[in-house]
Amino acid sequence: KQEVTQIPAALSVPEGENLVLNCSFTDSAIYNLQWFRQDPGKGLTSLLLIQSSQREQTSGRLNASLDKSSGRSTLYIAASQPGDSATYLCAPDSGTYKYIFGTGTRLKVLA
Amino acid sequence: DGGITQSPKYLFRKEGQNVTLSCEQNLNHDAMYWYRQDPGQGLRLIYYSQIVNDFQKGDIAEGYSVSREKKESFPLTVTSAQKNPTAFYLCASTSWSLAGGRDTQYFGPGTRLTVL
Repeated sequence: KQEVTQIPAALSVPEGENLVLNCSFTDSAIYNLQWFRQDPGKGLTSLLLIQSSQREQTSGRLNASLDKSSGRSTLYIAASQPGDSATYLCAPDSGTYKYIFGTGTRLKVLA
Repeated sequence: DGGITQSPKYLFRKEGQNVTLSCEQNLNHDAMYWYRQDPGQGLRLIYYSQIVNDFQKGDIAEGYSVSREKKESFPLTVTSAQKNPTAFYLCASTSWSLAGGRDTQYFGPGTRLTVL
């Protein structure tokens, strides 16, 4: 059974810092892993999807890495801004009927 | 623009009442999902559908029902049997990737249901 852990649960940083959000999963037999962003009271927005054959995926100031064998993914946010404040969730896809979502990292970037 | 719409944004239910939450997508996705999100908790799967006229129970299906008569639509009914329905409900859809597994999952903006 896939279990997903995200560390830290919450993070508060000054603007401009480079950030690292961690996602660990127990079943390494995955097709891909998605990172999502959720603003308060809103739906989830997909940020990056990284295939199991890839090691990294980049979009603007975001970079996601995947180490499938060790069950880890990392989301890097460069030069953080107050607009990055949100909850970030990861979801590995094991190809079963559902995604398993982590409980998220709640990020606050202070101006 | 392609995407998922949910309505209403806010919904209030009286005790003993059934209510239906709407979810529509124009992304031509085969698979659709309903999730429930409670404060401080992760997403829990209520129902999912991988194709028209077929749907399966998720982890917390008791007190809920769905239908999938059209590819674009996947409405969720919260019945009076659901004893604690106050929550944020999210609909999502996805397609299957040629690389295996699912492609990007898209979410609607959500419906907040409150029991009076």
